[in-house]
Amino acid sequence: DAGVIQSPRHEVTEMGQEVTLRCKPISGHNSLFWYRQTMMRGLELLIYFNNNVPIDDSGMPEDRFSAKMPNASFSTLKIQPSEPRDSAVYFCASRGGRGYGYTFGSGTRLTVV
Amino acid sequence: AQKVTQAQTEISVVEKEDVTLDCVYETRDTTYYLFWYKQPPSGELVFLIRRNSFDEQNEISGRYSWNFQKSTSSFNFTITASQVVDSAVYFCALRVPTQNQGGKLIFGQGTELSVKP
Repeated sequence: DAGVIQSPRHEVTEMGQEVTLRCKPISGHNSLFWYRQTMMRGLELLIYFNNNVPIDDSGMPEDRFSAKMPNASFSTLKIQPSEPRDSAVYFCASRGGRGYGYTFGSGTRLTVV
Repeated sequence: AQKVTQAQTEISVVEKEDVTLDCVYETRDTTYYLFWYKQPPSGELVFLIRRNSFDEQNEISGRYSWNFQKSTSSFNFTITASQVVDSAVYFCALRVPTQNQGGKLIFGQGTELSVKP
């Protein structure tokens, strides 16, 4: 089992550019979560999907952020346009259903300059 | 509202000391799950344990042990005979599987543990 795979591991971009973060959940897991980690706010949930359907996006900070899950094996988190305050580590996690734990990817460290 | 509080921001111990990381949670639901995760300097989040609200039995795994007390809404984590490799940030988290909360994990702010040789 390869675990949850996120790409890229590091991303440095200029303010105003579009950024796309990618996540491949564990095969068979039906829930997928995007978290953001910052020093000020800690680990906060941005959005999560059940069976590819967005269930709760109340954590998405603003309209510049969007997430999609076109199929069970792939999700993207897009920031357009990016701003320096978006700099953070973005984690993707998946879960196999009731009774299962959450497995996190290695994260994407985003720096917006 | 659901909330997780880890009052200890940083703890520093010398190798071989025992250390306890505190976690206090808030929820009005009777069914919930508690978790601990470790985040070493490399940055990944490593799952340590999951407990459901109906199982108050304490758990031991090697040098790690967890004390779940519903009466005080606490789920504390103890490392016995700490080692330098235990240095990491430790997160406590809560999940309330209700209709409007779904499956999301709510994290505490984390406790940074530093174990010195």
